[in-house]
Formats: sequence, C-alpha cells, structure tokens
Amino acid sequence: EPEVTQTPSHQVTQMGQEVILRCVPISNHLYFYWYRQILGQKVEFLVSFYNNEISEKSEIFDDQFSVERPDGSNFTLKIRSTKLEDSAMYFCASGGNPYGYTFGSGTRLTVV
Amino acid sequence: KNEVEQSPQNLTAQEGEFITINCSYSVGISALHWLQQHPGGGIVSLFMLSSGKKKHGRLIATINIQEKHSSLHITASHPRDSAVYICAVTRDRGSTLGRLYFGRGTQLTVWP
Repeated sequence: EPEVTQTPSHQVTQMGQEVILRCVPISNHLYFYWYRQILGQKVEFLVSFYNNEISEKSEIFDDQFSVERPDGSNFTLKIRSTKLEDSAMYFCASGGNPYGYTFGSGTRLTVV
Repeated sequence: KNEVEQSPQNLTAQEGEFITINCSYSVGISALHWLQQHPGGGIVSLFMLSSGKKKHGRLIATINIQEKHSSLHITASHPRDSAVYICAVTRDRGSTLGRLYFGRGTQLTVWP
C-alpha cells in the first residue's frame, strides 16, 4: 500500500527562525491537507488543497504560514518567525481512491 | 464548540475484553472516520463510514445517521490495541475525503 512520506521526523528550531516541513503525498490523490496537534490537544486543521489549489484555510493559517508545491508532486509547509506555541506535531494527509485518507507519520516540531 | 464528542476520554481493559468507544457529532456529515494514533504519534485510518456497519478483523464500526452517533468496537482486545482512537467527520457540504473535524480522542490501554 502506498505511503505518505513526511520529512524531517523531528525538527528543533530557535524561536524566530523559519522552518520548512516536507511531504510527499500519494501520487494520484487529488486531496491534500496539513494538520497540527499540540501536545495533549486534538488535531487541528491548517490548510487544504484540491486539484493543486488551496481550497480552504483555517484561522490558524495566517501570514506566518505558507504552502508550496515546488516540483508539482511534493508539498512544503513553511513557518516563518517561529514562536514557542508553534511547537506541535505537524501531519500531512492525502485523500483519494482506493486508499481513502492516508496520513504521513508526522514531523515533531520543537521551538526553543 | 466541538462538532465531534467522544467518550470515554480514557479506557482501561484487560486482555480479551470487548471494548466500545462512542462518538457523537452535531453537524451534517458526508462521512465519519475512525483513526488510530500510535504512541509514537503516527495516525492510521481505520474506517470511513457513511452508513451501516464495517468490519475489519477484530474491529467493528457502526454509525446511526438519525441519532448522529457512531461506535467503534474491539473484540478480544489485545495489548497491541493500546493507542488513541480518534473519531473525525467530513461535513456534508463536501467530499467524503474533505477536511476532517476531529474529536479529542480516547486513550485505550489494554493490560495483559
């Protein structure tokens, strides 16, 4: 069964620095998502793509965040000027037939 | 406000016991998803339901659309079933693979 691949698995960064998280979705999936989970809290939606365009953004997804698809297959999530409260597990997920929803293994971001 | 509520928040069982986790939702949905989050943080999709009942191995998921309620059952529980089980829904204005709205999860611990 195909996988969604996220890198890195762990990232530690200084407050104020920029981080880039990467994800390779399943190739024929049309739906793509970034979610995050702060420790001890429920998973939160950040942004969604459908057919290569942003379809929805949450109120969390402000100017600090951006998403790109630099080579037409991979996705990146860029977080500018990181804050302590950005520390969380960041998940990407892709959706499509026949496998349905498939999550990446996550990137644990720690801002110090 | 939480569109999705789960109970119980924590559940402890002895190996072999039958387990039920409940999920209620307050919005119209196109699908309900049951997810499993491993201790390392990774998320795996278990079921996607629009109606009725699905079974995979020792796991059974049911949904009652009229009552806006779903249950996840585990028969003959095993310590390897220990994980967080998360209920999530996609809203009825979108695809069954649309953005997920998450419950807070149920931490299941199965003792040998």
